[in-house]
Amino acid sequence: NAGVTQTPKFQVLKTGQSMTLQCAQDMNHNSMYWYRQDPGMGLRLIYYSASEGTTDKGEVPNGYNVSRLNKREFSLRLESAAPSQTSVYFCASSETNWQGNTEAFFGQGTRLTVV
Amino acid sequence: ILNVEQSPQSLHVQEGDSTNFTCSFPSSNFYALHWYRWETAKSPEALFVMTLNGDEKKKGRISATLNTKEGYSYLYIKGSQPEDSATYLCALRYNFNKFYFGSGTKLNVKP
Repeated sequence: NAGVTQTPKFQVLKTGQSMTLQCAQDMNHNSMYWYRQDPGMGLRLIYYSASEGTTDKGEVPNGYNVSRLNKREFSLRLESAAPSQTSVYFCASSETNWQGNTEAFFGQGTRLTVV
Repeated sequence: ILNVEQSPQSLHVQEGDSTNFTCSFPSSNFYALHWYRWETAKSPEALFVMTLNGDEKKKGRISATLNTKEGYSYLYIKGSQPEDSATYLCALRYNFNKFYFGSGTKLNVKP
C-alpha cells in the first residue's frame, strides 16, 4: 500500500512564485490535513478537510489555499511564496475505525525553500 | 488553538538507560491523546492512542500513561537502544478529527 503520497519531495521557489503541493491517499480516509514543521515548533496545522467537499482553517492558514479535489486528493497552494514559508510540509489523512479510534497517517514530507 | 507542551526538548542517554518524557496540555474536553515516533527523514508513525484518565499502554519496552484531570501524559522507554533514537511527538485530538501537536522530544541514545 502506498498510504499517503506527497509530491514533490523538494522544491526551491523564488519569492513571489506560486506552486501547488499535491497529496493523495489510497486508504479511503475521509479526513485529510496539511501541516508545516519548523525547528522547535512541532507540526502546525495549516488546513484540514473533514470530508470531501469541506475544508477548514487550522492554526496557520495565512498565505495558503487548499482544494479537496476528491476523496483521495488534497492539494495545498502557495499563491505568492514568501521566505517565511520555507518549511517542511506534511500531508496526513485519518479515519475512525469501528472501535472509535482515530489515527493519522503521514506522507514523507515536502522540503520547500523560498529564496 | 490548544497549547500542547513537551519536555524536555532533547535528551541524550546511554544505551541501557531508562528514560521518560512529558506531554502537558490543557485539562479540557478532548477525544484522545496520541504519541508518535518520528525518525529523521521519515514520516511520523503512531505509537499509542489513549482516551481515558488512567489509561496505560505498552508496546515492547515503550509504555505511556495518561492523566486527563491534571493534563499530562508520560512516555517511558525501558533500557533504551540506539534504534530508539527519534523525535517523540505528542498530539491532542480535539474536535473529533483535529490534531494539535507538541514540538516533540528528540531522543538520542548513544551506544
